[in-house]
Amino acid sequence: EDQVTQSPEALRLQEGESSSLNCSYTVSGLRGLFWYRQDPGKGPEFLFTLYSAGEEKEKERLKATLTKKESFLHITAPKPEDSATYLCAVGSGTYKYIFGTGTRLKVLA
Amino acid sequence: EAQVTQNPRYLITVTGKKLTVTCSQNMNHEYMSWYRQDPGLGLRQIYYSMNVEVTDKGDVPEGYKVSRKEKRNFPLILESPSPNQTSLYFCASSLQGPSGNTIYFGEGSWLTVV
Repeated sequence: EDQVTQSPEALRLQEGESSSLNCSYTVSGLRGLFWYRQDPGKGPEFLFTLYSAGEEKEKERLKATLTKKESFLHITAPKPEDSATYLCAVGSGTYKYIFGTGTRLKVLA
Repeated sequence: EAQVTQNPRYLITVTGKKLTVTCSQNMNHEYMSWYRQDPGLGLRQIYYSMNVEVTDKGDVPEGYKVSRKEKRNFPLILESPSPNQTSLYFCASSLQGPSGNTIYFGEGSWLTVV
């Protein structure tokens, strides 16, 4: 069965304290791995798409990497405005996106 | 501006009173879908549509209906809402489905059924 698991469920960091979020997946026929940021009460906002193992993408303080079984979202020197829930999703087959339950990140000033 | 627009954003209704949540996208996307988001359960797909007049069930379709008569619109219909359908609902669209295509979300519709 296709599945996406994110860890940790919640993470508290001090401003400037770098860390990584994990997304592990099992899927038949990966059609892309997606990272989203979601602020409370808002729709998920697209961050990255990764297609194949070894691929990396960066945006400001965020860097996403992909292996055959998992993806990491590295946050370097985070700021309070990076506080949000980060969602991981995979494209499976032709018609399905499967989402993890997210990691709630809180960055303290 | 490329966007997915949902209405209403907030709604309180009573059990059994039919309601429709509208969704419209201006990106000429073929693929549209509805999700509900509940604490601890993440985003769960209700229905999706690959193109006009083509729809299929997602993981939690019970109690919901959809239609896709035009490419840009994909309304979600609750024929007889029940309290367990209280949730945050998101409409989403992508160019041609999950084959590497990014999915774009609306701002969400908070639905409370009392």
